[in-house]
Amino acid sequence: DQQVKQNSPSLSVQEGRISILNCDYTNSMFDYFLWYKKYPAEGPTFLISISSIKDKNEDGRFTVFLNKSAKHLSLHIVPSQPGDSAVYFCAASPLSNTGKLIFGQGTTLQVKP
Amino acid sequence: DAGITQSPRHKVTETGTPVTLRCHQTENHRYMYWYRQDPGHGLRLIHYSYGVKDTDKGEVSDGYSVSRSKTEDFLLTLESATSSQTSVYFCAISQRGPSSGNTIYFGEGSWLTVV
Repeated sequence: DQQVKQNSPSLSVQEGRISILNCDYTNSMFDYFLWYKKYPAEGPTFLISISSIKDKNEDGRFTVFLNKSAKHLSLHIVPSQPGDSAVYFCAASPLSNTGKLIFGQGTTLQVKP
Repeated sequence: DAGITQSPRHKVTETGTPVTLRCHQTENHRYMYWYRQDPGHGLRLIHYSYGVKDTDKGEVSDGYSVSRSKTEDFLLTLESATSSQTSVYFCAISQRGPSSGNTIYFGEGSWLTVV
């Protein structure tokens, strides 16, 4: 049972355009959401996060939007750069703060020059 | 980069043999985690620890055991390796459990092949 889903395995965008990566979750107890970026043969690196008390968080070119009623979050990258090409994972943590961070399957982003 | 060292980084082992992966941190973080990454599944939590000798199961704990006798070391053991445990294993650390304002940092991964 996949509690965090990234339904698009891959996404290709042109350099300078917007990249939008989507993530859906099923557990209403999730209250903290994160995005990680992963290059081949490296560990995931933290990108940006959002708490359930907010609906938007911005950090430079990266913005995460949270729609709690739809149990949906998205990551916007503007403008996209070739160095952004990587696998992006969304992750969620439940209210109980048990230490369990649940990840989606990942979306591979390719930014073409 | 967070001070996380995984060893070995690459290992090939035979079915039925025991395997231990080690995660060492220099950050004095309380929480440590073991994840595995597989195509189509993303990252799945195997076990985690919230303190010395305090551990709990994750999503895919069957066939794995862990131990944490020191703050800095978290060991993952496959008692009898199977081909389904061929994967990339990531150790991660955090100061607190994943909650608002807290971040989990990952190691570089250990590639395990069970033949």
